[in-house]
Amino acid sequence: GEDVEQSLFLSVREGDSSVINCTYTDSSSTYLYWYKQEPGAGLQLLTYIFSNMDMKQDQRLTVLLNKKDKHLSLRIADTQTGDSAIYFCAESMGGGSYIPTFGRGTSLIVHP
Amino acid sequence: DTGVSQDPRHKITKRGQNVTFRCDPISEHNRLYWYRQTLGQGPEFLTYFQNEAQLEKSRLLSDRFSAERPKGSFSTLEIQRTEQGDSAMYLCASSTIGSSGYTFGSGTRLTVV
Repeated sequence: GEDVEQSLFLSVREGDSSVINCTYTDSSSTYLYWYKQEPGAGLQLLTYIFSNMDMKQDQRLTVLLNKKDKHLSLRIADTQTGDSAIYFCAESMGGGSYIPTFGRGTSLIVHP
Repeated sequence: DTGVSQDPRHKITKRGQNVTFRCDPISEHNRLYWYRQTLGQGPEFLTYFQNEAQLEKSRLLSDRFSAERPKGSFSTLEIQRTEQGDSAMYLCASSTIGSSGYTFGSGTRLTVV
């Protein structure tokens, strides 16, 4: 994941918004993803955004993309304890194989 | 379809032994990927198949590792002469051609002692 960087930890209070940030280096990235991993489980695709988009909203999730700065963020509104997990940012170049490169993950801790 | 299945969930083996993991993708998915995840890291790409053809391998896939998908359905990942550094979670994912999203299995956690 050296091409995709994330902060390792984020702690928020239940009901607050969480913002998880990610930077990537490959300017030819076509797809940018957010995955969630709960303990002992595989990765769950939360959402993705095409590189020609600035924003995507899906219920409590808002993804913002600043392509110039190669910066991606995931905002979770009204964060719940069930949102506690590791969140991975990933990018892929698209094309035939769509093989994403993952960051190290941000561990989100939601406390009451 | 219940998603991507991986077997076993956990495997403990002695150094030097061979191990084999199995992945059953979602039935209509023609692409299958193997990743390795170590503690505190994101998944690292190992290899992927389109149908039965192995189209790409990472440099992480040493000659002790081999993956197959003989009939374009399930896949196996074998590690020969395991080393302690092979201890990791091995994740399988599947997708369809042209899809930008993947479905991951729950992984096989390998511990080499």
